[in-house]
Amino acid sequence: EVQLVESGGGLVQPGGSLRLSCAASGFTFSSYWMSWVRQAPGKGLEWVANIKQDGSDKYYVDSVKGRFTISRDNAKNSLFLQMNSLTGEDTAVYYCAVLPCCSPTQWGVAYWGQGTLVTVSS
Amino acid sequence: DIQMTQSPSSLSASVGDRVTITCRASQGISNHLAWFQQKPGKAPKSLIYAASSLQSGVPSKFSGSGSGTDFTLTISSLQPEDFATYYCQQYNSYPITFGQGTRLEIK
Repeated sequence: EVQLVESGGGLVQPGGSLRLSCAASGFTFSSYWMSWVRQAPGKGLEWVANIKQDGSDKYYVDSVKGRFTISRDNAKNSLFLQMNSLTGEDTAVYYCAVLPCCSPTQWGVAYWGQGTLVTVSS
Repeated sequence: DIQMTQSPSSLSASVGDRVTITCRASQGISNHLAWFQQKPGKAPKSLIYAASSLQSGVPSKFSGSGSGTDFTLTISSLQPEDFATYYCQQYNSYPITFGQGTRLEIK
């Protein structure tokens, strides 16, 4: 059974930092591009970042460039998101996901975690 | 950036109805489009990829079509469990973008 389990969310003050983790199991983690997707309360889905199988390529939505860093540890089947200089606009549920994207071998794949809530507030 | 616009934003329908949701891309994306279903408090669930291919385990009542800039998701014979919010997602180019969502409600 495929599982993506996020952790590390919580309440943080504006300007603070947080590191999210995602533990993957049930599939060959090192074979897929991995993603972070977020959803602000009552809002739609927003893609945040992607990382290639070997970590050599990374992409970010403009609003987080220079503040967030995506990384992975294939030996531990883990995905991370380091978030710095957080603002209220970063308040959201953050999902770890394997999205349909990036190469034809991944178009038919879609796995999602249950999400972890990040609240940025003083 | 490629903007994805869904219509309608909300839709009321009855059990047994057939409904169609439209997703329009601001520029051509070939068939690099996926559809997701999301229920309150839950993670999205994949329905369709490559515009018209059904994800494994998804019932055939769901179908997708389109290419280029205009896409549709059709759900036939609505059942209570189908009432949810639906999103399209393009993966033709970065940044990956989602439509704003279509909320399907029971009439």
